[in-house]
Amino acid sequence: GNSVTQMEGPVTLSEEAFLTINCTYTATGYPSLFWYVQYPGEGLQLLLKATKADDKGSNKGFEATYRKETTSFHLEKGSVQVSDSAVYFCALSDLGGGADGLTFGKGTHLIIQP
Amino acid sequence: AAGVIQSPRHLIKEKRETATLKCYPIPRHDTVYWYQQGPGQDPQFLISFYEKMQSDKGSIPDRFSAQQFSDYHSELNMSSLELGDSALYFCASSLGRDYSQAQYFGPGTRLTVL
Repeated sequence: GNSVTQMEGPVTLSEEAFLTINCTYTATGYPSLFWYVQYPGEGLQLLLKATKADDKGSNKGFEATYRKETTSFHLEKGSVQVSDSAVYFCALSDLGGGADGLTFGKGTHLIIQP
Repeated sequence: AAGVIQSPRHLIKEKRETATLKCYPIPRHDTVYWYQQGPGQDPQFLISFYEKMQSDKGSIPDRFSAQQFSDYHSELNMSSLELGDSALYFCASSLGRDYSQAQYFGPGTRLTVL
């Protein structure tokens, strides 16, 4: 079946630090990959996506590259801000494998200190 | 831009009662997904609809049912509620069932079963 593994947290960084959140996956078919962000008490917001190997998704200074050879989709940001504090979920869509629903990782709680 | 609308935002029920959650997708989106998120957990896929027909089924209990109406809004009906049903319920929508399409999430309904 499909699965997503990501580092759990909390991950605590100082403002302006470099961020990496690792994400690896297993999938039956050829998945699309996503990062979602969830702020306290809110729904999930799409952060970025990539639909094929070597695609790079980017948004708001965050980026992630679809690496088929290592089945990874690590999230990076060069300089984090306090406002980036949230829970980040890596997810895959494997419609080609017959699954409509997204498969999520457990989420990484990111805390940015001033 | 219009987003996914869910109602109610909060719901408190007693054990063995029933609950109905509503979801209004982004205009022109024809696919709706339902997810359940327990405290500190990742969202779990329940069920999806495409063009008013059930498309895929995940870990939805038999006590729950759902449908999508002619205007594409969807309702999740939950009967014989149990304490373990207390969770955040998210609805998401997308344009078609194409694997590359992202799912856009609503703010969620927080269900508390007492």
